[in-house]
Amino acid sequence: EIVLTQSPGTLSLSPGERATLSCRASQSVSSSYLAWYQQKPGQAPRLLIYGASSRATGIPDRFSGSGSGTDFTLTISRLEPEDFAVYYCQQYGSGGHTFGQGTKLEIK
Amino acid sequence: EVQLVESGGGLVKPGGSLRLSCAASGFTFSSYSMNWVRQAPGKGLEWVSSISSSSSYIYYADSVKGRFTISRDNAKNSLYLQMNSLRAEDTAVYYCASLKGATFGYWGQGTLVTVSS
Repeated sequence: EIVLTQSPGTLSLSPGERATLSCRASQSVSSSYLAWYQQKPGQAPRLLIYGASSRATGIPDRFSGSGSGTDFTLTISRLEPEDFAVYYCQQYGSGGHTFGQGTKLEIK
Repeated sequence: EVQLVESGGGLVKPGGSLRLSCAASGFTFSSYSMNWVRQAPGKGLEWVSSISSSSSYIYYADSVKGRFTISRDNAKNSLYLQMNSLRAEDTAVYYCASLKGATFGYWGQGTLVTVSS
C-alpha cells in the first residue's frame, strides 16, 4: 500500500499570502492518479485538483497542483478567507485508494 | 444538480449490523464507479470500498474485508453498504462518492455510524 505523508501538519498564514502544501508518497505514484481535496468543518470533501495539476470544475485559478513521482505540491497563490480548511491528497494504486493525513490551513 | 444522499447511520452495539444507503440524482449513476469513504471523528479520510458501474469489479480496504459488502441497484440509482460484525473502530461518518478515473468527484454529506455498547 502506498503511504502519503503530508506536510506541514498545520500551516498558519494570513489572507493574501501564498500557501504551499506538500504530499510525499512512499513509492512512485502516477500523476494521473493524484488528487487534492478541500474539507471545511462539518462538510464533505470537495475535489480541487485531479491528475496532479488539473483544476476541477469551478475551482478558482489561485489553486494549482504540481509534481510527479513521489513529490506533489498544492499551491494557493493568494489566500482568501474561505480557503482556510483542511486539505488532503489522495492516490490510486494497486492497494486501492489512500489519502494523506491532511494539512490544516489556519488563519494566523 | 448532482446529489448524493446517504442514510441508514445510527448507533449500533459491537458485533451488530447496519445497512447504509446512498441515493443518487443529477447524473448518470449507472455510468460511474461508486465508493464508500469514511472519516472517524477528528481524523482523516479512509477509503472503504469500490464497486464498478456494472458491479463487475468490487474492492475493499483490508480493514473491512470479510465484514462489509458493497452493492448497487442502477435501476434505483442507489448504492448500499452492508456492515456486519461492527467494531468500535468502525465509528465514523460514511460518505458515498462517485469515481471518475481515479478521482472522487461527487460526495454526499455523509451519515454517522457509532459503534458503542
